[in-house]
Amino acid sequence: QVQLQESGPGLVKPSGTLSLTCGVSGDSISGSNWWSWVRQSPGKGLEWIGEIYHIGSTNYNPSLKSRVTISLDKSKNQFSLKLTSVTAADTAVYYCARVGSVSGAYFDYWGQGTLVTVSS
Amino acid sequence: QSALTQTASVSGSPGQSITISCTGTSSDVGGYNYVSWYQQHPGKAPKLMIFDVSNRPSGVSTRFSGSKSGNTASLTISGLQAEDEADYYCSSYTGSGTRVFGGGTKLTVL
Repeated sequence: QVQLQESGPGLVKPSGTLSLTCGVSGDSISGSNWWSWVRQSPGKGLEWIGEIYHIGSTNYNPSLKSRVTISLDKSKNQFSLKLTSVTAADTAVYYCARVGSVSGAYFDYWGQGTLVTVSS
Repeated sequence: QSALTQTASVSGSPGQSITISCTGTSSDVGGYNYVSWYQQHPGKAPKLMIFDVSNRPSGVSTRFSGSKSGNTASLTISGLQAEDEADYYCSSYTGSGTRVFGGGTKLTVL
């Protein structure tokens, strides 16, 4: 059974950098799937942030691209998210998810999510 | 990259069928057979219900079905049950490796 678990600080100061890690078990991030980050602001809908493939290829949401970096740590079977210059608008529950491999166009496994609050 | 358009809320009585629509453009929903649907209960992570327009993952009830016509995709839930009450989100591949979600639809089972 594939499982994903987000971890990282729950509070980040404005203008700072949000850093989260997603640990993966039951699958290898070096396989044929892309690995993605999605967020959900309080009371709002889902927003795709970006994704990474095991060779290091990345795709990002154009609206966040200038502030986002997604990276891999194959030795730990985990991938990470960095979001710079955060504001209160970046307060959200952040989910990591596996992109399904049949078409590569859906998210089949999700982490439980972690709330990150941007506040001084 | 604009969010896909979903009706904010829909309701139905137990046993009835309801349909949730998701409207995009020819650059996303209409351009690819890559629409997926997610169910989200309060405080929980989204759960994949339909992928690639009309495919059900293993373990998802056959009461859930998906379709698409032009730039609009639809999720139909038949034989509505109390446990179906949740938020539902559509998502589409948009080309160039990017993805977009709908704004979500709150389903209330009366």
